[in-house]
Amino acid sequence: GQQLNQSPQSMFIQEGEDVSMNCTSSSIFNTWLWYKQDPGEGPVLLIALYKAGELTSNGRLTAQFGITRKDSFLNISASIPSDVGIYFCAGQVLGGATNKLIFGTGTLLAVQP
Amino acid sequence: NAGVMQNPRHLVRRRGQEARLRCSPVKGHSHVYWYRQLPEEGLKFMVYLQKENIIDESGMPKERFSAEFPKEGPSILRIQQVVRGDSAAYFCASSRTGGITEAFFGQGTRLTVV
Repeated sequence: GQQLNQSPQSMFIQEGEDVSMNCTSSSIFNTWLWYKQDPGEGPVLLIALYKAGELTSNGRLTAQFGITRKDSFLNISASIPSDVGIYFCAGQVLGGATNKLIFGTGTLLAVQP
Repeated sequence: NAGVMQNPRHLVRRRGQEARLRCSPVKGHSHVYWYRQLPEEGLKFMVYLQKENIIDESGMPKERFSAEFPKEGPSILRIQQVVRGDSAAYFCASSRTGGITEAFFGQGTRLTVV
Protein backbone atom coordinates (compact mmCIF):
# COMPACT_ATOMS: atom_id res chain seq x y z
CA GLY A 1 0.00 0.00 0.00
CA GLN A 2 0.94 3.64 -0.07
CA GLN A 3 3.39 4.80 2.51
CA LEU A 4 5.29 7.85 3.54
CA ASN A 5 9.02 7.67 4.21
CA GLN A 6 9.77 9.84 7.20
CA SER A 7 13.27 10.72 8.37
CA PRO A 8 15.09 10.69 10.59
CA GLN A 9 13.61 7.91 12.71
CA SER A 10 14.88 9.55 15.87
CA MET A 11 16.76 12.64 16.99
CA PHE A 12 18.52 13.37 20.26
CA ILE A 13 19.34 17.06 20.63
CA GLN A 14 20.23 19.69 23.17
CA GLU A 15 17.73 22.28 24.29
CA GLY A 16 17.95 25.36 22.08
CA GLU A 17 18.97 23.50 18.92
CA ASP A 18 16.95 23.63 15.72
CA VAL A 19 15.38 20.45 14.35
CA SER A 20 14.43 19.41 10.84
CA MET A 21 12.50 16.36 9.69
CA ASN A 22 10.95 15.42 6.38
CA CYS A 23 8.61 13.09 4.57
CA THR A 24 8.71 11.82 1.03
CA SER A 25 6.28 9.79 -1.01
CA SER A 26 6.04 8.17 -4.39
CA SER A 27 2.45 9.44 -4.61
CA ILE A 28 1.22 12.97 -5.11
CA PHE A 29 -0.59 14.45 -2.12
CA ASN A 30 -3.06 17.32 -2.11
CA THR A 31 -2.74 17.98 1.63
CA TRP A 32 0.13 17.51 4.04
CA LEU A 33 -0.32 17.49 7.81
CA TRP A 34 2.11 17.36 10.69
CA TYR A 35 1.07 15.86 14.04
CA LYS A 36 2.73 15.45 17.43
CA GLN A 37 1.98 12.48 19.66
CA ASP A 38 2.89 12.43 23.34
CA PRO A 39 3.29 9.06 25.10
CA GLY A 40 -0.08 7.46 25.79
CA GLU A 41 -1.97 10.15 23.90
CA GLY A 42 -3.54 10.65 20.51
CA PRO A 43 -1.92 12.75 17.79
CA VAL A 44 -2.46 16.50 17.88
CA LEU A 45 -2.46 18.50 14.66
CA LEU A 46 0.39 21.04 14.48
CA ILE A 47 0.27 22.38 10.93
CA ALA A 48 -1.82 21.76 7.81
CA LEU A 49 -0.58 22.54 4.29
CA TYR A 50 -2.96 22.74 1.36
CA LYS A 51 -1.00 24.12 -1.59
CA ALA A 52 2.21 23.07 -3.34
CA GLY A 53 5.02 25.40 -2.28
CA GLU A 54 3.10 26.66 0.74
CA LEU A 55 5.22 27.62 3.74
CA THR A 56 3.34 27.87 7.04
CA SER A 57 4.46 28.73 10.55
CA ASN A 58 2.93 28.02 13.93
CA GLY A 59 5.07 29.61 16.64
CA ARG A 60 8.49 27.93 16.54
CA LEU A 61 7.28 25.42 13.96
CA THR A 62 7.58 25.91 10.21
CA ALA A 63 6.44 23.44 7.57
CA GLN A 64 6.52 23.44 3.79
CA PHE A 65 4.55 21.60 1.13
CA GLY A 66 6.99 20.53 -1.58
CA ILE A 67 6.61 21.83 -5.11
CA THR A 68 6.39 18.32 -6.52
CA ARG A 69 3.57 17.51 -4.02
CA LYS A 70 5.56 14.43 -3.00
CA ASP A 71 7.37 15.79 0.03
CA SER A 72 7.15 18.04 3.06
CA PHE A 73 9.43 19.15 5.86
CA LEU A 74 8.93 20.37 9.41
CA ASN A 75 11.39 22.61 11.24
CA ILE A 76 11.36 23.33 14.96
CA SER A 77 13.48 26.25 16.06
CA ALA A 78 15.04 26.74 19.51
CA SER A 79 13.80 23.41 20.86
CA ILE A 80 12.58 23.13 24.45
CA PRO A 81 12.06 20.04 26.64
CA SER A 82 8.30 19.96 26.02
CA ASP A 83 8.98 19.41 22.30
CA VAL A 84 9.75 15.79 23.21
CA GLY A 85 7.44 13.35 21.47
CA ILE A 86 6.83 11.57 18.19
CA TYR A 87 6.17 13.69 15.14
CA PHE A 88 4.16 12.25 12.27
CA CYS A 89 3.59 13.54 8.80
CA ALA A 90 0.34 12.57 7.11
CA GLY A 91 -1.14 13.20 3.72
CA GLN A 92 -4.27 12.95 1.67
CA VAL A 93 -3.61 11.36 -1.69
CA LEU A 94 -4.51 13.49 -4.70
CA GLY A 95 -7.77 12.19 -6.07
CA GLY A 96 -8.21 9.78 -3.19
CA ALA A 97 -10.82 9.62 -0.48
CA THR A 98 -10.91 12.94 1.26
CA ASN A 99 -11.15 11.51 4.71
CA LYS A 100 -8.38 8.96 4.63
CA LEU A 101 -4.90 9.96 5.76
CA ILE A 102 -1.67 8.11 5.06
CA PHE A 103 0.70 8.47 8.01
CA GLY A 104 4.48 8.38 8.08
CA THR A 105 6.38 6.13 10.45
CA GLY A 106 7.22 8.95 12.82
CA THR A 107 10.27 10.81 14.11
CA LEU A 108 11.05 10.42 17.80
CA LEU A 109 12.44 13.65 19.22
CA ALA A 110 14.32 13.72 22.52
CA VAL A 111 15.48 17.07 23.91
CA GLN A 112 18.07 17.20 26.64
CA PRO A 113 17.83 20.23 28.93
CA ASN B 1 -7.84 16.48 22.48
CA ALA B 2 -10.91 18.68 22.34
CA GLY B 3 -13.34 16.24 23.92
CA VAL B 4 -13.15 13.00 21.93
CA MET B 5 -13.60 10.35 24.62
CA GLN B 6 -12.49 6.80 24.11
CA ASN B 7 -13.01 3.96 26.53
CA PRO B 8 -11.65 1.90 27.86
CA ARG B 9 -8.14 3.36 27.76
CA HIS B 10 -6.65 -0.09 28.20
CA LEU B 11 -8.26 -3.42 27.34
CA VAL B 12 -6.85 -6.90 27.84
CA ARG B 13 -8.50 -9.82 26.10
CA ARG B 14 -7.64 -13.49 25.76
CA ARG B 15 -7.36 -14.96 22.28
CA GLY B 16 -10.81 -15.77 20.93
CA GLN B 17 -12.68 -13.20 23.01
CA GLU B 18 -14.47 -10.14 21.68
CA ALA B 19 -13.20 -6.58 22.08
CA ARG B 20 -15.55 -3.59 22.01
CA LEU B 21 -14.00 -0.16 21.75
CA ARG B 22 -16.11 2.94 22.28
CA CYS B 23 -15.70 6.44 20.93
CA SER B 24 -17.81 9.42 21.93
CA PRO B 25 -17.15 12.24 19.46
CA VAL B 26 -16.95 15.91 20.28
CA LYS B 27 -20.47 17.25 20.87
CA GLY B 28 -21.95 18.27 17.53
CA HIS B 29 -19.56 16.15 15.47
CA SER B 30 -21.27 13.63 13.22
CA HIS B 31 -18.19 12.25 11.43
CA VAL B 32 -16.01 9.59 13.04
CA TYR B 33 -12.81 7.91 11.87
CA TRP B 34 -11.01 4.92 13.33
CA TYR B 35 -7.27 4.39 12.97
CA ARG B 36 -5.00 1.61 14.24
CA GLN B 37 -1.41 2.09 15.41
CA LEU B 38 0.85 -0.92 15.73
CA PRO B 39 3.87 -0.58 18.02
CA GLU B 40 6.47 1.84 16.63
CA GLU B 41 4.44 2.52 13.50
CA GLY B 42 2.27 5.32 12.18
CA LEU B 43 -1.49 5.29 12.28
CA LYS B 44 -3.35 3.34 9.60
CA PHE B 45 -6.85 4.22 8.44
CA MET B 46 -9.55 1.68 9.18
CA VAL B 47 -13.01 3.16 8.67
CA TYR B 48 -14.92 6.42 8.26
CA LEU B 49 -18.49 6.71 9.48
CA GLN B 50 -21.11 9.40 9.41
CA LYS B 51 -24.10 8.99 11.71
CA GLU B 52 -25.63 5.57 11.02
CA ASN B 53 -23.66 5.14 7.79
CA ILE B 54 -20.33 3.59 6.89
CA ILE B 55 -18.78 5.87 4.28
CA ASP B 56 -15.41 4.19 3.72
CA GLU B 57 -14.30 0.91 5.27
CA SER B 58 -11.43 0.23 2.90
CA GLY B 59 -8.95 -0.11 5.78
CA MET B 60 -10.96 -2.63 7.76
CA PRO B 61 -9.90 -6.28 7.74
CA LYS B 62 -12.52 -8.29 5.89
CA GLU B 63 -13.23 -10.62 8.78
CA ARG B 64 -13.81 -10.20 12.52
CA PHE B 65 -13.85 -6.38 12.46
CA SER B 66 -16.97 -4.23 12.34
CA ALA B 67 -17.84 -0.64 13.15
CA GLU B 68 -21.02 1.27 13.77
CA PHE B 69 -22.06 4.80 14.67
CA PRO B 70 -25.70 4.67 15.75
CA LYS B 71 -28.05 7.63 15.81
CA GLU B 72 -27.78 7.71 19.58
CA GLY B 73 -24.69 6.76 21.51
CA PRO B 74 -21.01 6.31 20.79
CA SER B 75 -19.30 4.78 17.80
CA ILE B 76 -18.28 1.17 18.44
CA LEU B 77 -15.39 -0.73 16.91
CA ARG B 78 -15.91 -4.44 17.47
CA ILE B 79 -13.27 -7.10 17.04
CA GLN B 80 -14.48 -10.67 17.27
CA GLN B 81 -12.29 -13.66 18.13
CA VAL B 82 -9.25 -11.51 18.80
CA VAL B 83 -5.78 -12.76 17.93
CA ARG B 84 -2.37 -11.58 19.17
CA GLY B 85 -1.86 -9.54 16.00
CA ASP B 86 -4.84 -7.37 16.95
CA SER B 87 -2.79 -5.91 19.82
CA ALA B 88 -2.44 -2.23 19.01
CA ALA B 89 -3.60 1.24 19.92
CA TYR B 90 -6.91 2.14 18.32
CA PHE B 91 -7.63 5.82 17.83
CA CYS B 92 -10.87 7.52 17.04
CA ALA B 93 -11.16 11.02 15.59
CA SER B 94 -14.22 13.15 14.99
CA SER B 95 -15.07 16.21 12.95
CA ARG B 96 -18.09 18.40 12.36
CA THR B 97 -17.85 18.75 8.61
CA GLY B 98 -16.19 15.56 7.45
CA GLY B 99 -12.80 17.06 6.78
CA ILE B 100 -10.09 15.00 8.42
CA THR B 101 -7.92 18.10 8.67
CA GLU B 102 -10.47 19.51 11.10
CA ALA B 103 -10.71 16.33 13.15
CA PHE B 104 -9.61 15.85 16.73
CA PHE B 105 -8.18 12.55 17.92
CA GLY B 106 -9.03 10.81 21.17
CA GLN B 107 -6.46 9.37 23.55
CA GLY B 108 -6.87 5.89 22.14
CA THR B 109 -7.64 2.43 23.45
CA ARG B 110 -4.67 0.16 23.93
CA LEU B 111 -5.73 -3.41 23.24
CA THR B 112 -3.54 -6.24 24.44
CA VAL B 113 -4.39 -9.79 23.44
CA VAL B 114 -2.87 -12.45 25.66
